[in-house]
Order: sequence, then C-alpha cells, then structure tokens
Amino acid sequence: AQSVSQHNHHVILSEAASLELGCNYSYGGTVNLFWYVQYPGQHLQLLLKYFSGDPLVKGIKGFEAEFIKSKFSFNLRKPSVQWSDTAEYFCAVTVYNTDKLIFGTGTRLQVFP
Amino acid sequence: SAVISQKPSRDICQRGTSLTIQCQVDSQVTMMFWYRQQPGQSLTLIATANQGSEATYESGFVIDKFPISRPNLTFSTLTVSNMSPEDSSIYLCSVESRSSSYNEQFFGPGTRLTVL
Repeated sequence: AQSVSQHNHHVILSEAASLELGCNYSYGGTVNLFWYVQYPGQHLQLLLKYFSGDPLVKGIKGFEAEFIKSKFSFNLRKPSVQWSDTAEYFCAVTVYNTDKLIFGTGTRLQVFP
Repeated sequence: SAVISQKPSRDICQRGTSLTIQCQVDSQVTMMFWYRQQPGQSLTLIATANQGSEATYESGFVIDKFPISRPNLTFSTLTVSNMSPEDSSIYLCSVESRSSSYNEQFFGPGTRLTVL
C-alpha cells in the first residue's frame, strides 16, 4: 500500500532561519504530490502541489518544494521563516488517476521571534 | 476554490450515542470525502461520498458505523454511530475541484468530537 513518511515530527526554529521538511512516499508509478498547511485554529490549506513538469514548484508565502523522483521525495523548503509560519505541515500524495489523498503524519513547526 | 462549512464545529457526546456532521459546499462538486484525524495522528480517509449512489468506504471503516448521505452536489452528512471514546477525533469534509486536468482537494474547518 502507498504510504507517506515525514521524518520531522516537531521542528523549532528562530525567525530568519532556513527550513527544510522531509517527505518521502512509497509508490513506483506516477504520483501527484501536495503540501498542506494548518495554521492554529484554521483549516487545512493547500500550500503547493506538483503534477508534472518542472520538479521545483513554488507555492504561497515563499514556500517551495522539489520533487526528486529517484529519491521518492518531495521536501518542503523556505529560505527564511517567519513567526507566522508556525503551523502543522502535511505532505500528501495521490496515485495517478485516483482521488485518494494519502497523508503523512505531519510536522509541527514552531517559529520563535 | 471552494468554500466549505461544517456543523457542528465541535461537540461532546456520551458513549453509545450518535452524532451527525453536516458538510455544505458553496458550489456543485462531484467528489466529496470524509477524513478522520485522531489526536496526534495524520488524516485518514474514511469514505468517498458519491452523489446518487452509496459511499465508498476505505479499509477499516464500515457503513454501519459511519453512514454517509449525499443527497445533492453541495451537501453531505457523516454519522458517527454508537460512539465510544476511541471515536474522539477531528472529522473533516473535503471536496475535489477539477481544474483543467488537475485534481485538488479543499478542506472544511473540521468537527472536533469528544466522546466521554
């Protein structure tokens, strides 16, 4: 069965630090990849997505992610985090031509001023 | 995008009772989904709510425990039946928006359920 692994469960950073959250999936075929964010007290929002084309995708709020097919990875990055980036981040995958989102366990990010 | 609302936003229920959660979308959508997010865990798909037919359940979830209705293209309900404390979770509704050839899911605010 397909699965998604997020290696960092809890990350604590100071403002202006760089961020990289790991995400690996297990499926050998074509996938669609997503990062969702859940700010405190708010609902899940799509941060960015990869369907095809350029493996480096840019999302909202300065986030980007790189799809590396050979590593089955889709790591999320931001060069300089802000306090407002404090949230829970979920990596998710759908197998090509299906609608089922498979989520990772999430990474809680805390950014201190 | 789609705007999704859920009712109730939270509830505290007694063991053995049932709770029905409503999901309303501001536009017609084909696919609606119900997820569960247990404390400290990720989101798990419960079922896909199909308009005009029975819901499709994922492994580990059954219709008797989680009956779903989908009377039209903008509304769905999920009932958590005969609740136990293990059902304490956040239940989320999501919808799929097809933009060109891409499928994106948008999520509702969730219903936080506590079972005593």
